[in-house]
Amino acid sequence: GAVVSQHPSRVICKSGTSVKIECRSLDFQATTMFWYRQFPKQSLMLMATSNEGSKATYEQGVEKDKFLINHASLTLSTLTVTSAHPEDSSFYICSARVGGRGQPQHFGDGTRLSIL
Amino acid sequence: TQLLEQSPQFLSIQEGENLTVYCNSSSVFSSLQWYRQEPGEGPVLLVTVVTGGEVKKLKRLTFQFGDARKDSSLHITAAQPGDTGLYLCAGEGNTPLVFGKGTRLSVIA
Repeated sequence: GAVVSQHPSRVICKSGTSVKIECRSLDFQATTMFWYRQFPKQSLMLMATSNEGSKATYEQGVEKDKFLINHASLTLSTLTVTSAHPEDSSFYICSARVGGRGQPQHFGDGTRLSIL
Repeated sequence: TQLLEQSPQFLSIQEGENLTVYCNSSSVFSSLQWYRQEPGEGPVLLVTVVTGGEVKKLKRLTFQFGDARKDSSLHITAAQPGDTGLYLCAGEGNTPLVFGKGTRLSVIA
């Protein structure tokens, strides 16, 4: 149980393109979803926290107009990287949690985004 | 901001050796988790510790949470090549889950 599916697993696109990444909780309803970014040989850095039906809370230094997050249902959150540039190339990982703090987060397998 | 310092950053050992990875902070965490991540995949939860002084064992892996809930360690006994990977500690307190920088372990046969 507690499977989180992320799609696509890999995206390669030209600079200036907007890219949408989906994060789905397959067998549970997620109260909260999180989006992380991981650069090569580095750890996961939290970008934003989103609760279903409300605006996402972005971490300091993360541009909310650049990284649009929509959490329209308890099983789906999307991250759209708008007008992507090469410096946005990274490994984006989502996680989903049932309930509040102290409950485990279940991670997706990540999306490798490469901007040419 | 709660920060987690993880050490060592890199570790290369021979099969059969023991090793310990440390995760330290000046902040108190309500829980601390250890993950393992393979290249190109998301992290997979190994264990969660919540009580100060708690020790949990998972086969050859032993996890300990410090008495003050500010630090944790992961000890691997008789490491095997299959243990190779990135080990991440993550703490949760008054902020969402914060990750350490990870320990990249390589076990050589």
